[in-house]
Amino acid sequence: QVQVVVSGGGVVQPGGSLRLSCAASGFTFSNYAMHWVRQAPDKGLEWVAVISYDGSNKYYADSVKGRFTVSRDNSKSTLYLDVNSLRTEDTAVYYCAKAPRMDSSAWYEDFWGQGILVTVSS
Amino acid sequence: DIVMTQSLGSLAVSLGERATINCKSSQSVLYSSNNKNYLAWYQQRPGQPPKLLIYWASTRESGVPDRFSGSGSGTDFTLTISSLQAEDVAVYYCQQYYSTPITFGQGTRLEIK
Repeated sequence: QVQVVVSGGGVVQPGGSLRLSCAASGFTFSNYAMHWVRQAPDKGLEWVAVISYDGSNKYYADSVKGRFTVSRDNSKSTLYLDVNSLRTEDTAVYYCAKAPRMDSSAWYEDFWGQGILVTVSS
Repeated sequence: DIVMTQSLGSLAVSLGERATINCKSSQSVLYSSNNKNYLAWYQQRPGQPPKLLIYWASTRESGVPDRFSGSGSGTDFTLTISSLQAEDVAVYYCQQYYSTPITFGQGTRLEIK
């Protein structure tokens, strides 16, 4: 069955960095675009970034552009999110989610993993 | 950016009754070349990740009960639950994927009356 498991979260100080990883299984990872979406405590969903199946196209929310970088390693079926210059407002559960196709033709999310909490605090 | 607005922050409906959740986009999400609305609905139960219910505004995801339906076109959309069940207590989000940045509505919390 489809699974995506996120790791790498935790507590980090403002200005700090983290790398989130999302290990995928149960589907051919290299055939699908992938998303990062976050949810601040008791708040709604905020889309963060999307990467196409081969990593050639990447798009970001304005709130993270220049600070976050999405990448993937298809040989390891793993998605990454490098988060830098962290701010307190980046505190959230970060979800990794699969898209139903490889490219921008259908950029909704058809499967979501459990997510991981990133807390930015001094 | 396309702003998605869900007019109700919360909604209370009796078991077995119809629940209707509305969503409005600040610009059309209908792509004229394929006549598809780039609009999805998600359900998020407490403590769980979101789950896809509806895409292309009205296509039900595999495994989703047929009491869930989506309708609308252009800028105005509706998610309808025809007969509310206890397990439908959740927050429901609409999302446009017509253009980046992809944007969500603020969510509608559905409770039992």
